[in-house]
Amino acid sequence: GESVGLHLPTLSVQEGDNSIINCAYSNSASDYFIWYKQESGKGPQFIIDIRSNMDKRQGQRVTVLLNKTVKHLSLQIAATQPGDSAVYFCAETGNRDDKIIFGKGTRLHILP
Amino acid sequence: DTEVTQTPKHLVMGMTNKKSLKCEQHMGHRAMYWYKQKAKKPPELMFVYSYEKLSINESVPSRFSPECPNSSLLNLHLHALQPEDSALYLCASSQPTGELFFGEGSRLTVL
Repeated sequence: GESVGLHLPTLSVQEGDNSIINCAYSNSASDYFIWYKQESGKGPQFIIDIRSNMDKRQGQRVTVLLNKTVKHLSLQIAATQPGDSAVYFCAETGNRDDKIIFGKGTRLHILP
Repeated sequence: DTEVTQTPKHLVMGMTNKKSLKCEQHMGHRAMYWYKQKAKKPPELMFVYSYEKLSINESVPSRFSPECPNSSLLNLHLHALQPEDSALYLCASSQPTGELFFGEGSRLTVL
């Protein structure tokens, strides 16, 4: 069935280090994956996306990696800053039905 | 304009009340969504409208009634809610199989 999950509920990272947030999905038909950041009291904010015909995509300080063989998605944040503190969700959609499903979320905590 | 605007930001209602949540976007997006989010949980899809027609209803109880008056507006009518319906209700919009743009949400408390 369709499910999107994350390996860790909380990740603590030293300021300035790189962060890696992981996500597993089970629907091999999914063809579009998105990472969202949600700060306290706000709606989710788009970070970066990737389609299934790619295995890597880079943005400003962020990189998303997609491994379709093991159905794994990761978000890498370079030089983590205090403003990166938030909950990060991966989301997936497939079958072109506008049904975007969110994973469980990982809280990123920045250590001073 | 890249915003999705939701009103009200906060709503407190009794179980016998009728209220509505409103959402507006002016990005020309053809799909609009309602999600429900409980504390420390991911957003859960409720409804999807595509070209002003309801395309997905995730088995949501009938006490939640969506309405899409035009391509820019999305409402969620609430009636006879239960305390367990208290949550953050998020509206989003998107182009076909594209990223969702979320509003800030309406925090609902049912007494």
